[in-house]
Amino acid sequence: LAKTTQPISMDSYEGQEVNITCSHNNIATNDYITWYQQFPSQGPRFIIQGYKTKVTNEVASLFIPADRKSSTLSLPRVSLSDTAVYYCLVGDITRDDKIIFGKGTRLHILP
Amino acid sequence: NAGVMQNPRHLVRRRGQEARLRCSPMKGHSHVYWYRQLPEEGLKFMVYLQKENIIDESGMPKERFSAEFPKEGPSILRIQQVVRGDSAAYFCASSPPERTNEKLFFGSGTQLSVL
Repeated sequence: LAKTTQPISMDSYEGQEVNITCSHNNIATNDYITWYQQFPSQGPRFIIQGYKTKVTNEVASLFIPADRKSSTLSLPRVSLSDTAVYYCLVGDITRDDKIIFGKGTRLHILP
Repeated sequence: NAGVMQNPRHLVRRRGQEARLRCSPMKGHSHVYWYRQLPEEGLKFMVYLQKENIIDESGMPKERFSAEFPKEGPSILRIQQVVRGDSAAYFCASSPPERTNEKLFFGSGTQLSVL
């Protein structure tokens, strides 16, 4: 799996758009970029996955530049309930036996 | 379609006792991953299993820890002679047999407390 780097923590306010960037300089050709969300005392939950350009679903958008060495998770109009830890994973589940989570980004949404 | 089920949700053990953590993957899933999480830290990979096979156990401590995923029944993470340092949340996740780049599905975890 490619090593990822993301901010340890971020603060934002309700109603704002939040962007969390993940660096993955040694991403491989077959690697996908996947983001998970974890609330306290719960298991992580899949948010979004992409390979290139932009992916959007009902929860978030994922922006991936052409070189794929980074990605940005965008959460539109956050609410207090978006306070969680967000993990960026890069890899190819069809090839990798370990699926490694980093420390993630602790996002605090303030009223 | 029930999600990944872990039990017990909370487990209290005294030092030296055994802890057995169970994980029933989603229906049709044949891959199981176990992770350990200490407070305020990320998830640490422990072991990856397929039905009846351990594929990668490089994250498991060499002693006292074992895992299995039998042909029938849930996956079991077993910790013998627990110590206080084993106190943590243990999560399992499952994925389908065809191993596409599908997402992992996680259970709610077992919080192990060692007194």
